[in-house]
Amino acid sequence: DQQVKQNSPSLSVQEGRISILNCDYTNSMFDYFLWYKKYPAEGPTFLISISSIKDKNEDGRFTVFLNKSAKHLSLHIVPSQPGDSAVYFCAARFIPDKLIFGTGTRLQVFP
Amino acid sequence: NAGVMQNPRHLVRRRGQEARLRCSPMKGHSHVYWYRQLPEEGLKFMVYLQKENIIDESGMPKERFSAEFPKEGPSILRIQQVVRGDSAAYFCASSLRQDTGELFFGEGSRLTVL
Repeated sequence: DQQVKQNSPSLSVQEGRISILNCDYTNSMFDYFLWYKKYPAEGPTFLISISSIKDKNEDGRFTVFLNKSAKHLSLHIVPSQPGDSAVYFCAARFIPDKLIFGTGTRLQVFP
Repeated sequence: NAGVMQNPRHLVRRRGQEARLRCSPMKGHSHVYWYRQLPEEGLKFMVYLQKENIIDESGMPKERFSAEFPKEGPSILRIQQVVRGDSAAYFCASSLRQDTGELFFGEGSRLTVL
């Protein structure tokens, strides 16, 4: 059973516009949600996180929104840049220790 | 470079051989995690270790797979009698503490079973 779902395998956005990546989850026991970015042949890199007690966290061009009633979170990147092109993984922390990852969304930012 | 170090980066084994993957966590980190990524899939949790202790191995296959994090030296993920289905990228991650879930990943070890 896939507890963390990223239903869009890919997304293409023009440079300068907003990128919105979505993630749905099923387990209300998750206490932290995180976004990771991954380039080919590299390990995932932490991007931003949000506690389950908050609904928004912002860090520069990146903002994560959490809607607990809908069990949905999203990552907004604005403005998008070509260097943002990568695979983005949504992850949820299952107490006490493990992260459950989604299958990823490949973002391509074109000029 | 104080990042998570994994080796080898690439490993080729024939069916029935053993594969050993090593991971040195970031300096000062005492929590080590192993994840596996199959082609076109997300990362799947395998095991969580602290020094000399396996804390959670709920994601490990029951047979052929084992992990350790000794008092001295790197963490080792060991796969005995490899099969083609073991071909994957194996990522190690470490963390300083548990309260945020932020993990620092290595670049991964890519195992190919012929």
